[in-house]
Amino acid sequence: DTGVSQDPRHKITKRGQNVTFRCDPISEHNRLYWYRQTLGQGPEFLTYFQNEAQLEKSRLLSDRFSAERPKGSFSTLEIQRTEQGDSAMYLCASSLGQGAWETQYFGPGTRLLVL
Amino acid sequence: GNSVTQMEGPVTLSEEAFLTINCTYTATGYPSLFWYVQYPGEGLQLLLKATKADDKGSNKGFEATYRKETTSFHLEKGSVQVSDSAVYFCALSYGIQGAQKLVFGQGTRLTINP
Repeated sequence: DTGVSQDPRHKITKRGQNVTFRCDPISEHNRLYWYRQTLGQGPEFLTYFQNEAQLEKSRLLSDRFSAERPKGSFSTLEIQRTEQGDSAMYLCASSLGQGAWETQYFGPGTRLLVL
Repeated sequence: GNSVTQMEGPVTLSEEAFLTINCTYTATGYPSLFWYVQYPGEGLQLLLKATKADDKGSNKGFEATYRKETTSFHLEKGSVQVSDSAVYFCALSYGIQGAQKLVFGQGTRLTINP
């Protein structure tokens, strides 16, 4: 069990550019979550996948954000036309889905800085 | 709605001191409650959890009891170590489309001095 991995760990980009992040969940975990964490705050839910289906999206996820999980394995989060307000840590978590006993395991995060 | 409020930091203690980090929640229904810890440069790690009222979660000397009557889940440790220095997050989870959405507090930074 290698844990949840995310790539890249750090990304610096200029305003207006597109960026894409990748998350590899723990193998056989059917649920995958994306959260965003700004400085000094707790993570906030962005979206969730059950296998390959995206079942829930937060209102925080504007039209510039898109997430995919092809084949129910790894997931990507793309931000188009980045803005300075997108600067944050983007966290991925996966779980096996056991109802109230579910535990989400987090990756190390991708820190995005938009200049 | 669902929300979590936790004690503002930063908190600075000496080694072997007693630790309490307060956490209260607002929720519809019966959420599960969690404490996550974030060490410098690392991702969030689950510290402990409780899934129903009066349950006590415990791990690595830390404890928290799910108190429905006071809507609280305070984190305690009897004797802290320098290695406990980290940011601690209280969270609740509730069901969405069959899964569990986590709602976090703002985090409490803890520094333990030798």
